[in-house]
Amino acid sequence: AQSVSQHNHHVILSEAASLELGCNYSYGGTVNLFWYVQYPGQHLQLLLKYFSGDPLVKGIKGFEAEFIKSKFSFNLRKPSVQWSDTAEYFCAVNSPNYGGATNKLIFGTGTLLAVQP
Amino acid sequence: GAGVSQSPSNKVTEKGKDVELRCDPISGHTALYWYRQSLGQGLEFLIYFQGNSAPDKSGLPSDRFSAERTGGSVSTLTIQRTQQEDSAVYLCASSLGSGGFGEQFFGPGTRLTVL
Repeated sequence: AQSVSQHNHHVILSEAASLELGCNYSYGGTVNLFWYVQYPGQHLQLLLKYFSGDPLVKGIKGFEAEFIKSKFSFNLRKPSVQWSDTAEYFCAVNSPNYGGATNKLIFGTGTLLAVQP
Repeated sequence: GAGVSQSPSNKVTEKGKDVELRCDPISGHTALYWYRQSLGQGLEFLIYFQGNSAPDKSGLPSDRFSAERTGGSVSTLTIQRTQQEDSAVYLCASSLGSGGFGEQFFGPGTRLTVL
């Protein structure tokens, strides 16, 4: 079965530190990749997505992610975090080849990021 | 409305009771999804609608769970004979359908607590 792994469950950083959150997926076919963010008390919102083309994707709020097909990875990065980046981050994948007509997202278990001022 | 809305925002029920959770997708979005977010399980897919039909129900955990969508818009997720393990946040999302794999927009969720 397809799965998504997020290796860091809880990350604590100081402001201005660099961030990298790991994400690996297990599906060998064509994939679409996403990072969603959930700020405290808010609903899930899209941070960035990769469908095709340039494997380095830039999203909102200075985040970026790099798709490395050979490593089945889609790590999220930000050069300098802010206190307002405190949130839970979810990596997700879907594929046109899962079988059937589904567009369902398979999510990782999430990474809680706490940024200390 | 601009986004996906869900009601109620919170629901507390007693074990064995039935509950209905409602989702209003973004206008014009033909695809609608239900997910469940629970401690220790992360976000799990439940069911996917394209229009009024549900081509993928593979995530429904038991036959106590059912969902329907009418008029290609509002969807209702029904849980019969609720159990304590059903306690979770139930999330609805919608996206532009027609085979595209565009962004899924999520609602605020319904927090279900089964006592």
